[in-house]
Amino acid sequence: GENVEQHPSTLSVQEGDSAVIKCTYSDSASNYFPWYKQELGKRPQLIIDIRSNVGEKKDQRIAVTLNKTAKHFSLHITETQPEDSAVYFCAANHLQGGSEKLVFGKGTKLTVNP
Amino acid sequence: DSGVTQTPKHLITATGQRVTLRCSPRSGDLSVYWYQQSLDQGLQFLIQYYNGEERAKGNILERFSAQQFPDLHSELNLSSLELGDSALYFCASSVAWAETYEQYFGPGTRLTVT
Repeated sequence: GENVEQHPSTLSVQEGDSAVIKCTYSDSASNYFPWYKQELGKRPQLIIDIRSNVGEKKDQRIAVTLNKTAKHFSLHITETQPEDSAVYFCAANHLQGGSEKLVFGKGTKLTVNP
Repeated sequence: DSGVTQTPKHLITATGQRVTLRCSPRSGDLSVYWYQQSLDQGLQFLIQYYNGEERAKGNILERFSAQQFPDLHSELNLSSLELGDSALYFCASSVAWAETYEQYFGPGTRLTVT
């Protein structure tokens, strides 16, 4: 069935460094790939998304790249700050029998050390 | 604040019991999604409703059921509760039925089964 693998499960960086989180998906029909950030004790919030008609999208210090051939996409955070510390989830949409759902990766716990 | 509300915030109950979780979507949103988040797990999609109709189903147990009412609020019913049902349950809403629309998450209901 549909599957989204996310790596690494934990990531620790120094403030100011870059962080990269990678995801692979199994459904070749997937065409929407959002990233959600979940701070401790809070709700997940969309931080950036990409659709399959583009290869890269940037929003200030955050960027996402997509390689449809290899079926993987990545989140890049530059100049990390302590407030970037959170769990990040990637997701891919999965279409089946006229319905559609988001399949999430298991998350990456990012810690930015001051 | 995403505009999605969930009640109650916390729920402690015993095995074998039945509980109802409530969700009110953002004003104008027609789709409601339910997710389960357990320790060390990502967000597991349970079920989606769009304008009162079931739209998509995920790994929802037969002991669980949901519905969306004419005023668009939704309820998730969990019965014959087991210890393994202890988790954070999120509701999310979006403007339309497709997963490619941003989902806004509520604050979650933490269920503890003892």
